[in-house]
Amino acid sequence: DAGVTQSPTHLIKTRGQQVTLRCSPKSGHDTVSWYQQALGQGPQFIFQYYEEEERQRGNFPDRFSGHQFPNYSSELNVNALLLGDSALYLCASSFGTIPPYEQYFGPGTRLTVT
Amino acid sequence: AQSVTQLDSQVPVFEEAPVELRCNYSSSVSVYLFWYVQYPNQGLQLLLKYLSGSTLVKSINGFEAEFNKSQTSFHLRKPSVHISDTAEYFCAVSGLDNAGNMLTFGGGTRLMVKP
Repeated sequence: DAGVTQSPTHLIKTRGQQVTLRCSPKSGHDTVSWYQQALGQGPQFIFQYYEEEERQRGNFPDRFSGHQFPNYSSELNVNALLLGDSALYLCASSFGTIPPYEQYFGPGTRLTVT
Repeated sequence: AQSVTQLDSQVPVFEEAPVELRCNYSSSVSVYLFWYVQYPNQGLQLLLKYLSGSTLVKSINGFEAEFNKSQTSFHLRKPSVHISDTAEYFCAVSGLDNAGNMLTFGGGTRLMVKP
């Protein structure tokens, strides 16, 4: 049973560019959440997608956007990259509409903005 | 809204010694509580969770945590650590009023087990 997968593993971008990160949820899961983990800090919630819609959003600017596809996979897009966007981006998947939703995390995508 | 404070950023300990990693939270509603572990260059793995019922929860690899509602704490303990326990540990909470199950994490505690 494949767990949560993310691509790419590492990415280097220049300030001002745009980036797309991808996530495939664990088999049987229908909800995808994205987190940003800056170096030396705990993860921070960006947003969550369920039934192809953004269900909840954390305190991140509109430069951060996402999408969920019919097969439940998801993309995170970041526009106009800033140096401060350098971080590990984690995707987590879960199932259902009744709490608690146990979240399973992928290995992350390490984004470096130069 | 919730917040989580992990009081120690680093905890050095010798192998086979006991350890406690402290976690305090703040919330205006009831919460679910979690401990995640992150090994170098990897994602997060769920270590244990408190949802309801018994306030003492245990993992399969010897860790345990106790939910203390009056002290709003969820400290993680292990009676005897191994070198392989060296990792970053994150405490997280999710409010029961949170339909989306957003997790709020603490800043993490780096457990360093020395031989």
